[in-house]
Amino acid sequence: GESVGLHLPTLSVQEGDNSIINCAYSNSASDYFIWYKQESGKGPQFIIDIRSNMDKRQGQRVTVLLNKTVKHLSLQIAATQPGDSAVYFCNGGSQGNLIFGKGTKLSVKP
Amino acid sequence: DAGVIQSPRHEVTEMGQEVTLRCKPISGHDYLFWYRQTMMRGLELLIYFNNNVPIDDSGMPEDRFSAKMPNASFSTLKIQPSEPRDSAVYFCASSGTDGEKLFFGSGTQLSVL
Repeated sequence: GESVGLHLPTLSVQEGDNSIINCAYSNSASDYFIWYKQESGKGPQFIIDIRSNMDKRQGQRVTVLLNKTVKHLSLQIAATQPGDSAVYFCNGGSQGNLIFGKGTKLSVKP
Repeated sequence: DAGVIQSPRHEVTEMGQEVTLRCKPISGHDYLFWYRQTMMRGLELLIYFNNNVPIDDSGMPEDRFSAKMPNASFSTLKIQPSEPRDSAVYFCASSGTDGEKLFFGSGTQLSVL
């Protein structure tokens, strides 16, 4: 079956440093990937997405990298801020394949 | 748009009682999803609808759980009878016609005593 998982359940970084959150997927047919951010007491919110015809996409302070060869994607956050503290989920979002799992908790140390 | 609206925000009930969670999706969205989040299991998909029709309910834990979507702007998730192990945060989400990017509500924190 399809699955989307995370390498590290927790990540602690110093404020101002860059953060990298990794994610692996098993279904090579997945063609669309999404990163969500969930702050305490809230529902997950969309951050950035990427389609399989791309290997990199940049947003504001965030970059998603997709390596289809090894079925791996990562979320990079530049100059991590306290407001980035949250749980991050990657999702191989094709219709009906909406698996989130536990996510990766990012803690930012002042 | 107000986003996905869930009610109540918090629900505390006693074991054996019926619990009904409500969701109003974003207007125009064709897909509606119910998720449950716990520390142990993370965010689990329970059921989802397309155009008000249940498509996949394989994540519904057992017969005590039921979900309905009587129209495009309203859905309910019912637990009857409730048990302490049902305690969790329940999220509703909706998405547009592409069925991909999800918009989540703020969740309902359910505590069954």
